[in-house]
Amino acid sequence: NAGVTQTPKFRILKIGQSMTLQCTQDMNHNYMYWYRQDPGMGLKLIYYSVGAGITDKGEVPNGYNVSRSTTEDFPLRLELAAPSQTSVYFCASSYGDSYGYTFGSGTRLTVV
Amino acid sequence: KQEVTQIPAALSVPEGENLVLNCSFTDSAIYNLQWFRQDPGKGLTSLLLIQSSQREQTSGRLNASLDKSSGRSTLYIAASQPGDSATYLCAVPVNNYGQNFVFGPGTRLSVLP
Repeated sequence: NAGVTQTPKFRILKIGQSMTLQCTQDMNHNYMYWYRQDPGMGLKLIYYSVGAGITDKGEVPNGYNVSRSTTEDFPLRLELAAPSQTSVYFCASSYGDSYGYTFGSGTRLTVV
Repeated sequence: KQEVTQIPAALSVPEGENLVLNCSFTDSAIYNLQWFRQDPGKGLTSLLLIQSSQREQTSGRLNASLDKSSGRSTLYIAASQPGDSATYLCAVPVNNYGQNFVFGPGTRLSVLP
């Protein structure tokens, strides 16, 4: 049972480039989330999804887009990378309300 | 707006000590609270999930309590070991839709051999 899998683990982007962070889970969880973690700032919610075809903005959605075409996958898209998007990105999933989170191992992104 | 704080920010203790980590939240209308552990450069590992109807949860040497009325939770670690060294975060839901968690800044724990 793989849990929540994130790829890539590390990436360096140049300003203005685009990329997609992949997240997939094999636990048949309905809810999926993208967080970013900056040093000393804690985790901030970017986007979340309560099921296939449904996505909602979190606290810091600007500069990002998501899609949820299947239950398993929840990719995060950066269209025009900026230095402010340098961070560690975590994907998480949950079975539903009143259930806990399972996190992926993270993607460390640097924008130069 | 739900805000979560954790005290202390960092803690260093000798091996074998019992210790308490504190978490406070501003909106007591929560339906659960979760404690996580994060090792340096790693993801978050779920430790304990406390439902609003529960007052505490136990897993091995860990015990988490929840007092909704006062907006507080504590994580008690018994007989600490060097392997317990990590950052501990608590998280509470923002609202009752989608279970979006707000995370505290964490307590960085060092257990010295």
